[in-house]
Amino acid sequence: GAGVSQTPSNKVTEKGKYVELRCDPISGHTALYWYRQSLGQGPEFLIYFQGTGAADDSGLPNDRFFAVRPEGSVSTLKIQRTERGDSAVYLCASSSSGRTSTDTQYFGPGTRLTVL
Amino acid sequence: GNSVTQMEGPVTLSEEAFLTINCTYTATGYPSLFWYVQYPGEGLQLLLKATKADDKGSNKGFEATYRKETTSFHLEKGSVQVSDSAVYFCASKGDYGQNFVFGPGTRLSVLP
Repeated sequence: GAGVSQTPSNKVTEKGKYVELRCDPISGHTALYWYRQSLGQGPEFLIYFQGTGAADDSGLPNDRFFAVRPEGSVSTLKIQRTERGDSAVYLCASSSSGRTSTDTQYFGPGTRLTVL
Repeated sequence: GNSVTQMEGPVTLSEEAFLTINCTYTATGYPSLFWYVQYPGEGLQLLLKATKADDKGSNKGFEATYRKETTSFHLEKGSVQVSDSAVYFCASKGDYGQNFVFGPGTRLSVLP
């Protein structure tokens, strides 16, 4: 596809449940990023992949959050024991290399997660 | 670490008015600077970028100049349109391994 895609677009779950959010980056992009955007705020960095490995996971808020990218393309963000405070829009972005400051990130439409 | 500060909104202007949205950054090294826009119901889109001091990014009538001496990257447009109503985010990115840092966003409403 032409851009970054994310599924589902909306996810409603109950407190304590497990959720998976999927990101399909632009073909050929080696860098992939996950962000969380709360209402009225800018995106907040969660984790950055370079290929299959997590190059920087310093933004993950706690050990309930985990992300994988096993083949260096699609990535899944996993949240265990969801809490109401996890409700936000989760954004995925990809860039061609991630290695330089000039590298532009292209964002997907986001997954809106609501924890009841 | 890197950080970005931008003027708080919301900003409400009449059509054809002049727009300035202030953005300042703190960073180690020499980051690249970006403006992203989020139209209602849509995802973040890159509006413009500048990768070194004194560079000017421009797109769709918007401009921003990378000012190292004032650590600023203010967004300007000479004559806004109703279709420019959106949330604008200033962002910076450092070198290898550094992630994007976004400002909190500024909501712009343009009235006909």
